[in-house]
Amino acid sequence: NSKVIQTPRYLVKGQGQKAKMRCIPEKGHPVVFWYQQNKNNEFKFLINFQNQEVLQQIDMTEKRFSAECPSNSPCSLEIQSSEAGDSALYLCASRSPWEPNTGQLYFGEGSKLTVL
Amino acid sequence: GEQVEQRPPHLSVREGDSAVITCTYTDPNSYYFFWYKQEPGASLQLLMKVFSSTEINEGQGFTVLLNKKDKRLSLNLTAAHPGDSAAYFCAVRNNNNAPRFGAGTKLSVKP
Repeated sequence: NSKVIQTPRYLVKGQGQKAKMRCIPEKGHPVVFWYQQNKNNEFKFLINFQNQEVLQQIDMTEKRFSAECPSNSPCSLEIQSSEAGDSALYLCASRSPWEPNTGQLYFGEGSKLTVL
Repeated sequence: GEQVEQRPPHLSVREGDSAVITCTYTDPNSYYFFWYKQEPGASLQLLMKVFSSTEINEGQGFTVLLNKKDKRLSLNLTAAHPGDSAAYFCAVRNNNNAPRFGAGTKLSVKP
């Protein structure tokens, strides 16, 4: 069973609405990633954090998403104004501190967003 | 940008047959390679990770081959069984960036 906990598993939003997803990384994992997996199974990297700091993010994330990883609280990813093209599975993953070089990720089960 | 191409997108085999999935990548600075398995409704599970210094890795019922010259990574399930039916993804990473994933292969193993 996954030790990366994502909530909610499913969410349905109308266009223009906010959509917020949360992730609790595996205990002790300092680096958290968010990926978008579309209906064709293609992965798009969105953003990653080391502790509370953003390491990398793509342009789309910077413009349309709000993401944070506060200490002692779940990480979150929020779409400010949902579009139909945002319908996808949003996967959170964390990286072990004992494997900083290999980059092996541990994934949650995802939050499936449907934008009507 | 750098690409990871995975083939085939769909693969159907009979139980006991082998199944081969291949990824090619473009970034010459790729050093870490991963194969993940994703069953419906479940998270991605790591099957194997390989590093640039190794070429052949054997797991339980599968072999991973890395050809750095051709920038090719393959997963070979040697005798597939119905429990192997799932989506499989390769991922490739250099030192600086988040892993890049292939688009996946949906494997179906028929009894």
